[in-house]
Amino acid sequence: DTAVSQTPKYLVTQMGNDKSIKCEQNLGHDTMYWYKQDSKKFLKIMFSYNNKELIINETVPNRFSPKSPDKAHLNLHINSLELGDSAVYFCASSQDRTSKLNTEAFFGQGTRLTVV
Amino acid sequence: SQQGEEDPQALSIQEGENATMNCSYKTSINNLQWYRQNSGRGLVHLILIRSNEREKHSGRLRVTLDTSKKSSSLLITASRAADTASYFCAECKVTGKLIFGQGTTLQVKP
Repeated sequence: DTAVSQTPKYLVTQMGNDKSIKCEQNLGHDTMYWYKQDSKKFLKIMFSYNNKELIINETVPNRFSPKSPDKAHLNLHINSLELGDSAVYFCASSQDRTSKLNTEAFFGQGTRLTVV
Repeated sequence: SQQGEEDPQALSIQEGENATMNCSYKTSINNLQWYRQNSGRGLVHLILIRSNEREKHSGRLRVTLDTSKKSSSLLITASRAADTASYFCAECKVTGKLIFGQGTTLQVKP
């Protein structure tokens, strides 16, 4: 059973298109995240949701819109795709951001987005 | 940039040797975590060390933390070819947000 699964694994699309990446976790975690990894392997957080509520919104263009229909799902919609959006996008989840334990994050396999 | 730095950026060793990776971070932490990423795969959590801990072990892994220097190190003993991967340290903030270092690419030659 895959703990954090995201689809699709690969996405090739033209500039200007709108696309979505879906993420689901079956760990019962309260918090989910989107991270972006660029070609130099730099990983940076984009968004975080806790129990469907947005709690972290980094300086991401508003073409990126996360949506959390329930605490097990966090989707990422991207409008008007640009060449610079090409990267690997990782979904992750963790138990509870408010917990003093601050446990580890579980990552999905990533979605490699290529904008041509 | 809030991102920390890792040193070295790349490391190549022979199987059986030890590998040491260092990480420096910039802000106060709740805990510091180490992750491994195999090529083309997601990140896998290895070990978490809290801000009030100085050393932690897990199997062949040993992590140290020096909060006065804002630095951590990951030691992999008796390395194996399967340890070949990129290793990232990550500062964990109280929000759960992880701030990753640049990563160290480790190659273990059989």
